[in-house]
This record gives sequence, C-alpha cells and structure tokens, in this order.
Amino acid sequence: GQNIDQPTEMTATEGAIVQINCTYQTSGFNGLFWYQQHAGEAPTFLSYNVLDGLEEKGRFSSFLSRSKGYSYLLLKELQMKDSASYLCAVNEVTTDSWGKLQFGAGTQVVVTP
Amino acid sequence: DTEVTQTPKHLVMGMTNKKSLKCEQHMGHRAMYWYKQKAKKPPELMFVYSYEKLSINESVPSRFSPECPNSSLLNLHLHALQPEDSALYLCASSQANRGSYEQYFGPGTRLTVT
Repeated sequence: GQNIDQPTEMTATEGAIVQINCTYQTSGFNGLFWYQQHAGEAPTFLSYNVLDGLEEKGRFSSFLSRSKGYSYLLLKELQMKDSASYLCAVNEVTTDSWGKLQFGAGTQVVVTP
Repeated sequence: DTEVTQTPKHLVMGMTNKKSLKCEQHMGHRAMYWYKQKAKKPPELMFVYSYEKLSINESVPSRFSPECPNSSLLNLHLHALQPEDSALYLCASSQANRGSYEQYFGPGTRLTVT
C-alpha cells in the first residue's frame, strides 16, 4: 500500500506559474503519472516520470525524485482553461507483478483573471 | 483513434434492478480497467483485466460483476446495488498492465441508485 499526499487547492492568476507538489510512499514503485480532470469529465494524461529528473511538455513540466518520494507538476503561463483538478498517480507493482494506479486526492487549481 | 467509449452516459436504477455498463476501445490495448469515482474524490480502482483475464479485483462486492468478452470490450454487470454505490464509473485502457503505460479514460457513466 501507499500514501500519496498533495495539496487540496491552489489559486493563481492568469499568466502565472503554479507548482503542485506530490509526496508518496510505496512498496513497489513503477512510475508516476499526472492527470488533469475537469469537473464532470474523465481524467486526461499530462505527464509520466519513471526516472529522476525533469520532463518538459509545452507549458507543463513534471519532476521526480525517487529517493525522496517526491514529484511536482509545474504549470506555466496559466490560462483560465487550466482550472481543474490535478491528480498525482503512482503506478504500484503488486506481488504478482501487475500494475495498479493509485491516485492522490487531487489538487484543485483555480485560475483567476 | 485514442478514444475509450462508455455507454450509457447516465443511468438511474432501483436497488432491485439488473443493469450493465459497457466500455469499448479500438487502440489494440490489452489491459482494461474499471474505476469508481465519488464526487470530489480520486478514482478508486475496482478491477483490472489483462489479456481478457481478470488480474486484479480490489475486494469489490459481488453485486458488481465484470466481464471481458474480447480484447476491445469490457462490461460491468450491476445487481442489487445500494444507494452508496451511486458514483461516476470510469473505464480505462492501456497498452498492457505489466510495465508502466499511460491509461486512457472513457467519459464515464454517472450512476444513480434509488
């Protein structure tokens, strides 16, 4: 099993930068995903890290430190449409080597004009 | 085609009804998943199918019965549900389950049990 912690809510203004932190403890780590979920919609994939370091994808970047059990998602040049819940999800490998995606509670990002 | 489809979009059922949720993908993915999501909570894994075989059941009550008729289809049969089972039911698929692959989610079925 594992614990995944991320802040409940963050507010930022349009054009700004926001960093969402995620800490985790897991018994069988095999990668960390970030998903975006707008209210009433399905989660959509944003980024994936399995090795330490930074992955950049346009306005979104994600960082991983496996030794610290820590990741962050960086959202740059915020737009109103970025208002959503951001889910940190750890891929945990079971004793049978199956993969299970365990989600954090999500961080609600509110972008203001 | 990177789409996972789910039907119906909304479902209202009584506690004595039997209904089924359907999920379909044509990406050639060999792993498919059912999640349950309550309002303002993250998705919770229910079942995982890998190569059409059930590989993970997260101790889900037997009133939920999954079925994978072929590699593109996933069903969730519902019987004698409780009001607390009302939630958004999400289906997802990925290239495989062993290893780490992005999961693609369908739009979900919003279920209300009365």
